Amino acid sequence: SQKIEQNSEALNIQEGKTATLTCNYTNYSPAYLQWYRQDPGRGPVFLLLIRENEKEKRKERLKVTFDTTLKQSLFHITASQPADSATYLCALSNQAGTALIFGKGTTLSVSS
Amino acid sequence: DAGVIQSPRHEVTEMGQEVTLRCKPISGHDYLFWYRQTMMRGLELLIYFNNNVPIDDSGMPEDRFSAKMPNASFSTLKIQPSEPRDSAVYFCASSPLRGGETQYFGPGTRLLVL
Repeated sequence: SQKIEQNSEALNIQEGKTATLTCNYTNYSPAYLQWYRQDPGRGPVFLLLIRENEKEKRKERLKVTFDTTLKQSLFHITASQPADSATYLCALSNQAGTALIFGKGTTLSVSS
Repeated sequence: DAGVIQSPRHEVTEMGQEVTLRCKPISGHDYLFWYRQTMMRGLELLIYFNNNVPIDDSGMPEDRFSAKMPNASFSTLKIQPSEPRDSAVYFCASSPLRGGETQYFGPGTRLLVL
């Protein structure tokens, strides 16, 4: 069956460091992959989308890589700030490319 | 734009009661999605609509759950009868593009079934 795993439930880093979050999947060939941010008590907010034929995408301090051979995506936040503290969700398109399947998320805590 | 609107924001009910959750998608969005989020299972897709037509309801847990979209600006998710294991946060999301890309989520409805 299809499976999406985010490497850890929680990640603690110091301000200014680079946070790296991992998303692995099995039994799956998504057309694209997305990363969302979720703050407590709120709905997820879209951050970045990367397609299967793209290796890397950047947006300000965010960078996403997508390795379809390893079936893995890495999400990086450079120069992290306490305001980056949140839960980050990886989401893959279904086979038809019409819906998303979400990982359980990694909760990032950035301490000052 | 007000974004995706959900109501109520919180719902506490007793087992066996009917629960109706409501969603107003962003105007012009063709796709609407209903999700359920729990600590154990994360964010699960229940059902989604394209142009008011249900496309995939394979995530609906059982017959107690039903969803409708009578027009482009309104959708409901109904649970009848509700059970304690239905307690979760229910999110509605909409998308302007070919389904699934860049979804915009509502604030969610936190449901507690006693």
